[in-house]
Formats: sequence, C-alpha cells, structure tokens
Amino acid sequence: LAKTTQPISMDSYEGQEVNITCSHNNIATNDYITWYQQFPSQGPRFIIQGYKTKVTNEVASLFIPADRKSSTLSLPRVSLSDTAVYYCLVGEKGGSQGNLIFGKGTKLSVKP
Amino acid sequence: DSGVTQTPKHLITATGQRVTLRCSPRSGDLSVYWYQQSLDQGLQFLIQYYNGEERAKGNILERFSAQQFPDLHSELNLSSLELGDSALYFCASSAGLARDTQYFGPGTRLTVL
Repeated sequence: LAKTTQPISMDSYEGQEVNITCSHNNIATNDYITWYQQFPSQGPRFIIQGYKTKVTNEVASLFIPADRKSSTLSLPRVSLSDTAVYYCLVGEKGGSQGNLIFGKGTKLSVKP
Repeated sequence: DSGVTQTPKHLITATGQRVTLRCSPRSGDLSVYWYQQSLDQGLQFLIQYYNGEERAKGNILERFSAQQFPDLHSELNLSSLELGDSALYFCASSAGLARDTQYFGPGTRLTVL
C-alpha cells in the first residue's frame, strides 16, 4: 500500500482558496487517489477521487501531475464550515481488499 | 446522511464487560468495514466483510470479533473490555470489493470505565 505524506495542519481565512498537497512517491499503477473529510466526532466523508490530471466536482478539485507522485486537493472559497481534517488515501480501485489506510490527515482551520 | 446507520450512538460500560455494536450498510452495499478511532491512534481499520464473508483483517484484537448477517447488517463484538478500548467505532459500507468510496456511519462512542 502506498504511503502518503501531508501537512499536519493548515490555516486559512474565509473566502480563500485552500490547496492541500499529498505526497505518495510509491504509488502503484493501479492506485487511485481519494480524499476524505472528517468533522469532529463524525465519520469521514468522501470528497473526491482521481487517477490522473484533474478531477472536479461540486465540492473540490483534485490535481494530479503526470508522474502521480503527489496530488493537490483544492477547496475554492472556503468557509468556516470547511474546518475539518482532510485525509489523502492511495489504493487500488476494485481491489479485493477494501481497507483504507488513514494517515494523520491535515487539520484545516478556517478563520473569519 | 451517508445512509449507513450505527447503533447505539453512545455506550458506557465497565472494564471486563462485553458489548455489541451494530451497523446497517447503505441499501445495496455488500461490503462492510469497521474502524476504530482513538485520540492517540487515529483511524484504524479493523475488519472487512463482503456479502457475509470476512475479506480483510487489520489491527483487530483477538478480544474483538465481527460478523455480517444474511441481511447484510454487521455486528462488532468487543469483549473483556479495557480502558484503552474507549474510542469511536465507525462502520463504513461500499458497493462491492472496491477500496474506494466508502460511506461512513455516524459512529458509536464507547466509553469503558
């Protein structure tokens, strides 16, 4: 399983764009990159998933360079309610084992 | 709302006791996963079931066991409880065996006194 490294914490202000980068140097060919968001005392929530280039949904964008050794989660115009822990995970889509390896995540604090 | 339900929401018990946590997956999902989250350990994968069969095991203690029933709901049994078992226990479900897009329940907060 590919290991991921991301910043422990980040601070931002309301209305700003936030970019959280995740390193996954030993990502395998079949691995996808997935981001989850977790609020205190709640279960993680799926945000976005991608394999290469760029993926965008109504919540975020995910940028993946050609070498796929890193990825960046972009949250446009954050609000106070985006304060949460964000986890980057790398794993094989459709693999026989479904366990997710969560790292420490990035604690994002959005200030007014 | 993820569609995954867990009961009970809170559980307070004493050391040495046994408890059962229950999870109902999203409609149509065949895989159920159990995770433990404590302050010092983060989110740890415990075990996965797919359509009634155990598929993967993580850092699950021998005192813990789980099963998935024909109606696809799952139960996590924790026995001989210790203070260190106090944690949030999450259940997640996914459509199949895929490691992606797991939908997490609201969790059960277990406090062992």
